Amino acid sequence: AQTVTQSQPEMSVQEAETVTLSCTYDTSESDYYLFWYKQPPSRQMILVIRQEAYKQQNATENRFSVNFQKAAKSFSLKISDSQLGDAAMYFCAYRSDNDMRFGAGTRLTVKP
Amino acid sequence: GAVVSQHPSWVICKSGTSVKIECRSLDFQATTMFWYRQFPKQSLMLMATSNEGSKATYEQGVEKDKFLINHASLTLSTLTVTSAHPEDSSFYICSARVYRVLDEQFFGPGTRLTVL
Repeated sequence: AQTVTQSQPEMSVQEAETVTLSCTYDTSESDYYLFWYKQPPSRQMILVIRQEAYKQQNATENRFSVNFQKAAKSFSLKISDSQLGDAAMYFCAYRSDNDMRFGAGTRLTVKP
Repeated sequence: GAVVSQHPSWVICKSGTSVKIECRSLDFQATTMFWYRQFPKQSLMLMATSNEGSKATYEQGVEKDKFLINHASLTLSTLTVTSAHPEDSSFYICSARVYRVLDEQFFGPGTRLTVL
């Protein structure tokens, strides 16, 4: 079974600084998707960024970028110029076919 | 955009009663819908996957007789918690998958269930 591991239960960053959230996964599939979702206190899941496994280029979305290392099965999220509104739970997710699995989450605190 | 709604957003019920939660894709037809359960300060756990017109596929450990899923159309899936007990209290999130330009999955806002 596929597993997703987020080894950082909590992270903290100073406003305007950069923070990296870690994620590793285990799979025997060659074709899959990876995601980072943000869950603010409202509990609404918000897609931050996605990466197709067949693409070697790391995905970027404005201040958010990933470091996708397929051989190492690593998928970290970098948040640049952190803002107070970035504070939330962040979940790393893996999907192959109809099977989306989530990591345990990392709670990000942004200090003013 | 792509919006997934859930109704109700929160519900309180007595132990032994049944509760139905609706999940609708408002502006697209979903190929597949998913139901997740999230306990406080924990991650989302997949409960079941359903396709319109066919029986849902339940994850190991999820009682299909307790958590009834009906996927009546390409825009509506319902989760019924039968004979609810306090341990069923949780946050239930649905998600809908659609193939447009990309293969995308959108999440509803969740339903908080409290069983007294």
